[in-house]
Amino acid sequence: AQSVTQLGSHVSVSEGALVLLRCNYSSSVPPYLFWYVQYPNQGLQLLLKYTTGATLVKGINGFEAEFKKSETSFHLTKPSAHMSDAAEYFCAVSLNNAGNMLTFGGGTRLMVKP
Amino acid sequence: EADIYQTPRYLVIGTGKKITLECSQTMGHDKMYWYQQDPGMELHLIHYSYGVNSTEKGDLSSESTVSRIRTEHFPLTLESARPSHTSQYLCASSEYHGYTFGSGTRLTVV
Repeated sequence: AQSVTQLGSHVSVSEGALVLLRCNYSSSVPPYLFWYVQYPNQGLQLLLKYTTGATLVKGINGFEAEFKKSETSFHLTKPSAHMSDAAEYFCAVSLNNAGNMLTFGGGTRLMVKP
Repeated sequence: EADIYQTPRYLVIGTGKKITLECSQTMGHDKMYWYQQDPGMELHLIHYSYGVNSTEKGDLSSESTVSRIRTEHFPLTLESARPSHTSQYLCASSEYHGYTFGSGTRLTVV
């Protein structure tokens, strides 16, 4: 079985500062990994995903994440936070690419201070 | 444009009423899911379907029911709404490489 842990339910950064949202997973087989963003009263939107190949994955809105197998991590980063980045972020893991069910982390609320 | 639609976006309804939350997708995905999410909280899977005439209960026990008569349509029904059903309900579909989510229905039962 797989599981996802997001460290820190709330993260606060200043505008222009580095954003780092942490995600660790457990899986008995090579995982597929995802980051989703959710704005208030909206559904989840895919930010980026890792399936195979390059371990550094670039997504929308300037976000990127790096798959580190040795650390079982898939942390999300952005060099410079913008006020519009304030949202809830969810990390998720899937065991294969055949539309298998995703397991979601508990979410991290990102707050951006002016 | 391929997408997934949920209606209504917001619903306020009295206790004891029967309600159906609609979810439709135009992508031809076989797999569809319903999640319940309280504000600022994690997602809880309540139902899923892997194709027509296939439905399963998820991890979170729910008094709701679902049906899958057509590939594109996956409605969720509450026979008798209660205040404890107040929540956001998210529908999603998938084929490969993750899910596509609808915008959600925010349900308030008074």
